[in-house]
Amino acid sequence: GENVEQHPSTLSVQEGDSAVIKCTYSDSASNYFPWYKQELGKRPQLIIDIRSNVGEKKDQRIAVTLNKTAKHFSLHITETQPEDSAVYFCAASGAGGTSYGKLTFGQGTILTVHP
Amino acid sequence: DTEVTQTPKHLVMGMTNKKSLKCEQHMGHRAMYWYKQKAKKPPELMFVYSYEKLSINESVPSRFSPECPNSSLLNLHLHALQPEDSALYLCASSQSQGLGISGNTIYFGEGSWLTVV
Repeated sequence: GENVEQHPSTLSVQEGDSAVIKCTYSDSASNYFPWYKQELGKRPQLIIDIRSNVGEKKDQRIAVTLNKTAKHFSLHITETQPEDSAVYFCAASGAGGTSYGKLTFGQGTILTVHP
Repeated sequence: DTEVTQTPKHLVMGMTNKKSLKCEQHMGHRAMYWYKQKAKKPPELMFVYSYEKLSINESVPSRFSPECPNSSLLNLHLHALQPEDSALYLCASSQSQGLGISGNTIYFGEGSWLTVV
């Protein structure tokens, strides 16, 4: 089955700096890669996603890049703010077989933005 | 309306109890999911229903029994649970199981916090 590795496990930045979180996946058939933000005691909230027919996607301060050949994708947050502090999860989902409709999550990154 | 509603928000149950978690969505989604999340860990898939039929069971112990009475409702029946089953149980839904399809996004409910004593 799919395996998703996420790094770093913790990330501490100063307000205004950029933050980058990286994930690698194992199943070359995976075709959907969402990123979730989860605040303490809350549900995971989708912040951005990318599908395998696209190499990059941007939404205001957040961008995601996908390298299908290397099987890795990254989350970039620019001009970080204290309210960006949370746990971020990457995930991957396959197109068929046993991975169809199955989101496999990375282990998460605890992002802390210091004012 | 992009809401997935879960009840109860908190549940404490004994190891001999029988209880149920409920999930509802009115977005016309035909895929519904149960995930389990332990503290400081990512969500783990338990079950997927597609068009009201069980599509994926991730080898979940039989003390967890899912049910999809109709396209808007998803239940998780709990019986003879163990303390290690204490976790946040997340329900989610999407238009279909094919997440690679453009615009098909998984929406999570707020979750049900379960404590087994």
